[in-house]
Amino acid sequence: DTAVSQTPKYLVTQMGNDKSIKCEQNLGHDTMYWYKQDSKKFLKIMFSYNNKELIINETVPNRFSPKSPDKAHLNLHINSLELGDSAVYFCASSQEGPTGQNYGYTFGSGTRLTVV
Amino acid sequence: DAKTTQPTSMDCAEGRAANLPCNHSTISGNEYVYWYRQIHSQGPQYIIHGLKNNETNEMASLIITEDRKSSTLILPHATLRDTAVYYCIVRKWKTSYDKVIFGPGTSLSVIP
Repeated sequence: DTAVSQTPKYLVTQMGNDKSIKCEQNLGHDTMYWYKQDSKKFLKIMFSYNNKELIINETVPNRFSPKSPDKAHLNLHINSLELGDSAVYFCASSQEGPTGQNYGYTFGSGTRLTVV
Repeated sequence: DAKTTQPTSMDCAEGRAANLPCNHSTISGNEYVYWYRQIHSQGPQYIIHGLKNNETNEMASLIITEDRKSSTLILPHATLRDTAVYYCIVRKWKTSYDKVIFGPGTSLSVIP
């Protein structure tokens, strides 16, 4: 069973289009994230949701809008795509233990977005 | 900016131990050291984490210096499948609110 699954795996689209990436986790984790990996291999956090509530919203263009219909799903919608949006986007989840300790992230396999 | 520094790349002979260093000189008392690896373009995979004691699991060992300013990930018998980018990050123990940055990590090549 895939713990954190993202769809689609590859996405090629033209500038100006609107696209969505979906993420689902079956781990029962409370927190979900979107990360962007650039060409230099840095993975930077974009958004974080805890129990459907937005808790981290990094400095990303407001063309990017996350949506969490329930705590098992966190989707990413991108409006008016630009060439610079081309990257690999990773969804992740994590869970805090009974005394607050964090057991680390579980990542999805990534969505490679190419804007042409 | 990432709070850790790692060598850009390392080589290791197959079957030998791979020792990957990480500096985290600004680590605070409530931050853990986590190690992840990313094989090709897959999502990063959790390896191990620790606070101040050395830790071992089925994948690796983590050695943290007494002052906690650096650590070493040890893969005891490296195989070709261990070829990956290894990320060392620091993260608070009690929150999901951390704005963690991974990267750029150490690219480990295991050589036959």
